[in-house]
Amino acid sequence: KAGVTQTPRYLIKTRGQQVTLSCSPISGHRSVSWYQQTPGQGLQFLFEYFSETQRNKGNFPGRFSGRQFSNSRSEMNVSTLELGDSALYLCASSPGTSGANEQFFGPGTRLTVL
Amino acid sequence: AQSVAQPEDQVNVAEGNPLTVKCTYSVSGNPYLFWYVQYPNRGLQFLLKYITGDNLVKGSYGFEAEFNKSQTSFHLKKPSALVSDSALYFCAVRAPSGAGSYQLTFGKGTKLSVIP
Repeated sequence: KAGVTQTPRYLIKTRGQQVTLSCSPISGHRSVSWYQQTPGQGLQFLFEYFSETQRNKGNFPGRFSGRQFSNSRSEMNVSTLELGDSALYLCASSPGTSGANEQFFGPGTRLTVL
Repeated sequence: AQSVAQPEDQVNVAEGNPLTVKCTYSVSGNPYLFWYVQYPNRGLQFLLKYITGDNLVKGSYGFEAEFNKSQTSFHLKKPSALVSDSALYFCAVRAPSGAGSYQLTFGKGTKLSVIP
């Protein structure tokens, strides 16, 4: 099976712009989670989608949003970018039917905000 | 709320020596515990998990972890370290119940350096 793919791999934006990141999960996986990774804060949970519904959301401002499509692909959007949004954004997929399922991570999208 | 602590930011070990990366957790109920490894500029790779049963869990690349309920710990171990094991290691916990949420809570990570 193909792994989790994320596009683009690298992005450079300026403050105030918006950005959309894409994630394609492993075939058959219905859960997609997003995480932000920074050197200072580590891995922080953004949100999780399961069958097109947001199942959980982390403690991030409303500028961060996401959605999931019927084919389980997911996008996250960040509006009005701030310098502090520079980070590695990781997407992870799992079957989503049990807490015992491990998550499989994509390579991430490196976002740099100038 | 669930939380994970990895008390060491960095662990240095000589190649061929045993290694241990420490993890303690806090969660209501019986936890699901996971270890992931991250190489530079890469996503996280799953190593192993504890769900229930035998306290010693074996995973990928010769790694194993020991679940200790009384000490709320889940330390990662390997009998003989390789230079290629040098990476960032994350411990994560998930509570088995909760309104359909499968959020993983991660520790801050431990950088493992294996010295030739």
